[in-house]
Amino acid sequence: EVQLVQSGAEVKKPGESLEISCRASGYSFRNYWIGWVRQMPGRALEWMGIIYPESSDITYNPSFEGQVSISADKFSANAYLHWSSLKASDTALYYCVRPIVIQGLLINIDLWGQGTLITVSS
Amino acid sequence: QSALTQPPSASGSPGQSVTISCTGTSSDIGKYIYVSWYQQHPGKAPKLIIYEVSQRPSGVPDRFSGSKSGNTASLTVSGLQAEDEADYYCSSYAGSNSLGVFGGGTKLTVL
Repeated sequence: EVQLVQSGAEVKKPGESLEISCRASGYSFRNYWIGWVRQMPGRALEWMGIIYPESSDITYNPSFEGQVSISADKFSANAYLHWSSLKASDTALYYCVRPIVIQGLLINIDLWGQGTLITVSS
Repeated sequence: QSALTQPPSASGSPGQSVTISCTGTSSDIGKYIYVSWYQQHPGKAPKLIIYEVSQRPSGVPDRFSGSKSGNTASLTVSGLQAEDEADYYCSSYAGSNSLGVFGGGTKLTVL
């Protein structure tokens, strides 16, 4: 089965670091872009960034560049989203997604993980 | 890149049709055919139901249809069923300097 399975919910304190993961299965992980989308309550979904596992090419949404880092391990078929110092405003639901990119155009998302809820509170 | 604008809510009775709008700009919806719609049931991940303005992925009922005029895209759900009650999000390609933009979501209630 083609799927993305994300790591579980986390509760962290401001200033702490965190890495969440996304395990892909059922398709050739290294040859598809994979990315992260943030969903905050009552707000629009937002692209955070995407990575191509075979080459590790990364494109960040400028709004998130420097705030998070995205990586992927093409051998274990895992993608990661890392924060070095969390803020309360990072509290949100984070989705791992497989975007369809054709000739450099990110045209839609055909596969979503189940989401990982991150709560940052002192 | 600003979010696309959707009405926060929409509703209809079983069997009726309802249309949800998604307004962007001449830099996204108005310029490209890469408009998508996603359906999200409570506690579930979003699911692609329309791509390239009006195309349906395999398995999506033909009760769901999409269209675009100018800077506004629309999703129409015909023959409403109880299972259609969900949140619906639009998105659009927005050029090579962007990963794309989403709408704020519309909560569809089946009365």
